[in-house]
Amino acid sequence: GAVVSQHPSRVICKSGTSVKIECRSLDFQATTMFWYRQFPKQSLMLMATSNEGSKATYEQGVEKDKFLINHASLTLSTLTVTSAHPEDSSFYICSARDWPDTQYFGPGTRLTVL
Amino acid sequence: QQQVKQSPQSLIVQKGGISIINCAYENTAFDYFPWYQQFPGKGPALLIAIRPDVSEKKEGRFTISFNKSAKQFSLHIMDSQPGDSATYFCAASITGSARQLTFGSGTQLTVLP
Repeated sequence: GAVVSQHPSRVICKSGTSVKIECRSLDFQATTMFWYRQFPKQSLMLMATSNEGSKATYEQGVEKDKFLINHASLTLSTLTVTSAHPEDSSFYICSARDWPDTQYFGPGTRLTVL
Repeated sequence: QQQVKQSPQSLIVQKGGISIINCAYENTAFDYFPWYQQFPGKGPALLIAIRPDVSEKKEGRFTISFNKSAKQFSLHIMDSQPGDSATYFCAASITGSARQLTFGSGTQLTVLP
């Protein structure tokens, strides 16, 4: 199957700092990528849909100014958590959509905000 | 109407047994139904997917059964192995510009040796 990478896999930061997470589709072009958040023993919660060359679409309740998403190319989307606070600590997972429907997920990024 | 309901929440099966996980949906516009497997600390991995034009799809030990009239679909894992112990998510999406996945709540499968 197609491969999606995420970097970093784990990050620890101080409260108030910003953290950038990269999501790359390695062997296919993805016009659409998605960002999810997952709490322990829970399902995936869609945060936003990222389309190459256009603004991301955020789900209700997700602060677009806190979670900045950029989809600059067909293989790269980034999520920046700005002014991170301990409540932002979570497991963040991206996915990339390969034509026509299949979503391939990255390995996830564990964010811990102290 | 966008929900996908998944059961059971947890499942314990003996090695060699059959694991069955069920999902039900309400929105008849859903036309793509994948299953994902997730190990702790990892991202979900696509296992198998089906579309409404077929009632069953099999890939190795994994089979999806689809009942369009009942709006239900299920995952069967034959000859379950301890290595299958993971969390399984069903999902559904609608053909369209975004094709966002609506996930079930997940089933934690434990296969005893």
